[in-house]
Amino acid sequence: EVKLLESGGGLVQPGGSLRLSCAASGFTFADFYMSWIRQSPGKAPEWLSFIRNKANSYTTEYNPSVKGRFTISRDDTQNVLYLQMNTLRAEDTAIYYCAKHDYYYDGTYYYDYFDYWGQGVMVTVSS
Amino acid sequence: DIQMTQTPSSMPASLGERVTISCRASQGISNYLNWYQQKPDGTIKPLIYYTSNLQSGVPSRFSGSGSGTDYSLTISSLEPEDFAMYYCQQYDSSPWTFGGGTKLELK
Repeated sequence: EVKLLESGGGLVQPGGSLRLSCAASGFTFADFYMSWIRQSPGKAPEWLSFIRNKANSYTTEYNPSVKGRFTISRDDTQNVLYLQMNTLRAEDTAIYYCAKHDYYYDGTYYYDYFDYWGQGVMVTVSS
Repeated sequence: DIQMTQTPSSMPASLGERVTISCRASQGISNYLNWYQQKPDGTIKPLIYYTSNLQSGVPSRFSGSGSGTDYSLTISSLEPEDFAMYYCQQYDSSPWTFGGGTKLELK
């Protein structure tokens, strides 16, 4: 059974930093792309960042809304995904989810979607 | 960024009813469109990927269609567990973006 368990959330002051973790189990973590997605109260989800697997050089993509402040990384030996968040703002207050990708590309047919999500962890940025 | 507009934002419906949720992209997205369901406890799961492919384990009453900028999710006969939030999401270009959501409510 695939499980994704986020941790590291909490209350932080504006300008502060926080590192989120996502412990993965039930699948070969190293083989898959992973993402962070957040959802502010009453709002739609917002994709933040993803990291590819070793076969694709662990390359990363970021939403411009967080690029330069947030850094995604992974430890395939521990099956953990991370999100380092710096210079936090009130508008970063949200539930943060990690998600596993299901990805396929054969040159013509391409799909990529989040097939498993964690339960989320709350981050509150407030003084 | 590609803007995804979902309509309606809320939909009262009855058990057994057929419902359709629409999603319009601000530019063509080449069928790179996924649908997700979110329950009140926050749990999110995929329903449909690449416009019309049913995720494993999802009931066949769910279906997706569309092309270009216009896409839709149809539930053929509502069951009690279907009353939830639904989101479309494009992956044609980064940043990937979600629609604003449709809340399916019991009439």
